[in-house]
Amino acid sequence: EDQVTQSPEALRLQEGESSSLNCSYTVSGLRGLFWYRQDPGKGPEFLFTLYSAGEEKEKERLKATLTKKESFLHITAPKPEDSATYLCAVRHNAGNNRKLIWGLGTSLAVNP
Amino acid sequence: EAQVTQNPRYLITVTGKKLTVTCSQNMNHEYMSWYRQDPGLGLRQIYYSMNVEVTDKGDVPEGYKVSRKEKRNFPLILESPSPNQTSLYFCASRAGTSGASSYNEQFFGPGTRLTVL
Repeated sequence: EDQVTQSPEALRLQEGESSSLNCSYTVSGLRGLFWYRQDPGKGPEFLFTLYSAGEEKEKERLKATLTKKESFLHITAPKPEDSATYLCAVRHNAGNNRKLIWGLGTSLAVNP
Repeated sequence: EAQVTQNPRYLITVTGKKLTVTCSQNMNHEYMSWYRQDPGLGLRQIYYSMNVEVTDKGDVPEGYKVSRKEKRNFPLILESPSPNQTSLYFCASRAGTSGASSYNEQFFGPGTRLTVL
């Protein structure tokens, strides 16, 4: 079954304490993996798209990486404003090209 | 400012009373979509539209209708709402509908929190 699993469900960090969020996927023929950030009461906000194993993308304190089975979102020296839910989504060959499979997200809290 | 707008933002209604949630985007995007987000279930696609007059079912279309008469607007219609449609709804849009453009980022609206009593 095609699915996307994110771990951990929740993560609490101290300001400056680096860590990683995981998105593992089992799909036939990855066509793109997306990371979004969602603040409470708001819509998801796009962060990155990764297309193939070995690819990396960076934005400020965030770095996304991709392997054949999973993606990591590395957060370096996080600040309280990085607190949010981070969502992963995958587009794949077997499914409709216009649809995504979404993970349930990792809720990140960064304490000052 | 490039954005997706939804109205209303909050709505409390009763079972069976027809309602419409509006969605509008100002980015000239071809693709638009409706999602619902529920705890433990994540984001699930309700309907999507590849362009004007072209719509198709997503993963959870039962109890919903959509229309795409203009490129910028994509309203979600609940003909006879039921309590199990209580949820947080998001409209989203992106440029392009095929090939490399299908990897474009989606822009989400601010959400509509619907409660059906």
